[in-house]
Amino acid sequence: GQNIDQPTEMTATEGAIVQINCTYQTSGFNGLFWYQQHAGEAPTFLSYNVLDGLEEKGRFSSFLSRSKGYSYLLLKELQMKDSASYLCAVRDRRNTDKLIFGTGTRLQVFP
Amino acid sequence: EPEVTQTPSHQVTQMGQEVILRCVPISNHLYFYWYRQILGQKVEFLVSFYNNEISEKSEIFDDQFSVERPDGSNFTLKIRSTKLEDSAMYFCASSVRVSGLKKETQYFGPGTRLLVL
Repeated sequence: GQNIDQPTEMTATEGAIVQINCTYQTSGFNGLFWYQQHAGEAPTFLSYNVLDGLEEKGRFSSFLSRSKGYSYLLLKELQMKDSASYLCAVRDRRNTDKLIFGTGTRLQVFP
Repeated sequence: EPEVTQTPSHQVTQMGQEVILRCVPISNHLYFYWYRQILGQKVEFLVSFYNNEISEKSEIFDDQFSVERPDGSNFTLKIRSTKLEDSAMYFCASSVRVSGLKKETQYFGPGTRLLVL
């Protein structure tokens, strides 16, 4: 079956760094996405990894290890507005557009 | 920046009624999708649509559901006879499917919250 695991909740302090992990077991792999979702709103795209390694984009970075079925999203210099759910999603093969989402990690940033 | 838009933002309906959820994808995008998210649960894929036909659908997308692109800008999801368990947030998304990593990203609309009573 297809399975994507993320921690349910995390907390951190403003200005700190937080790492949100995602592990996946899928029948195949053709890319991993991270989305941010504020309560009651649409998921917004943060990053995309299809090759092993680190992708950096401002305060956010995402890492992928395909051999380990593992990714993380790193958020630096946390701000209060970063309080949101972070969704890990996998595309499990080349000829599909279907994204398989994890349950999301709810991050709360405290002052 | 171009956005996916959806109407209505909220819809309340009686069980057994038909609903149509509307989406306007980003104008140069070619692929369109519907996802749903039941309150407190994960986002689930329903259907993808390209070149005026369904390219993929999930087991959730049964005969009660249909999609249509009635004109050059709108993309609709119809639920023929709603059930209580159809209550969810429905998200439309679109993407440009060309080679090149970032352009395969799916961009989501703000969602329609459907409540079936």
